[in-house]
Amino acid sequence: GIQVEQSPPDLILQEGANSTLRCNFSDSVNNLQWFHQNPWGQLINLFYIPSGTKQNGRLSATTVATERYSLLYISSSQTTDSGVYFCAAVEGGNNRLAFGKGNQVVVIP
Amino acid sequence: DSGVTQTPKHLITATGQRVTLRCSPRSGDLSVYWYQQSLDQGLQFLIQYYNGEERAKGNILERFSAQQFPDLHSELNLSSLELGDSALYFCASSAGLNIQYFGAGTRLSVL
Repeated sequence: GIQVEQSPPDLILQEGANSTLRCNFSDSVNNLQWFHQNPWGQLINLFYIPSGTKQNGRLSATTVATERYSLLYISSSQTTDSGVYFCAAVEGGNNRLAFGKGNQVVVIP
Repeated sequence: DSGVTQTPKHLITATGQRVTLRCSPRSGDLSVYWYQQSLDQGLQFLIQYYNGEERAKGNILERFSAQQFPDLHSELNLSSLELGDSALYFCASSAGLNIQYFGAGTRLSVL
């Protein structure tokens, strides 16, 4: 099945800083989603982005499907951005998500 | 709120026991997925149902089973529980082959 790799695994940010998280996937994808898992364990949908660029407030994401990677940008980070960010991809005709190991982000005031 | 409801939120049980986790999908979604998140395995796909029928299977143990009922809610049954089954179990739903919305999860602790 498809392999999903995320980098960096851990990131510590000063409040107000910008950051970029990367997701590489091993094959063509039909679906790619970014999630934020908050300290309570909830998985919050951030983006559904199999290709192209999307923005939502201080967050934006870009997927370059032909080069098999996606980027999540966090601008002007806030302490509430802390948590684990997951990238998940689907290949082929099914819709089962394969998750990366996540990016652990800590934003300090 | 994703619209996907999972109950219970927390479950504490003993080894050898059997538990049932319940999921109500978003209104109109025919597909339901179950995922397990553990410290050693990360987030992994277990099983998918579409309109009452099993559609895809992942790394689901034989001690685990699931079903989707005519009203589209789903249940995940875990039996002969072991310490290693302690994990966060997520249900997700989708309308077709696109974005999946996740419930808040059921945290299972096997003591």
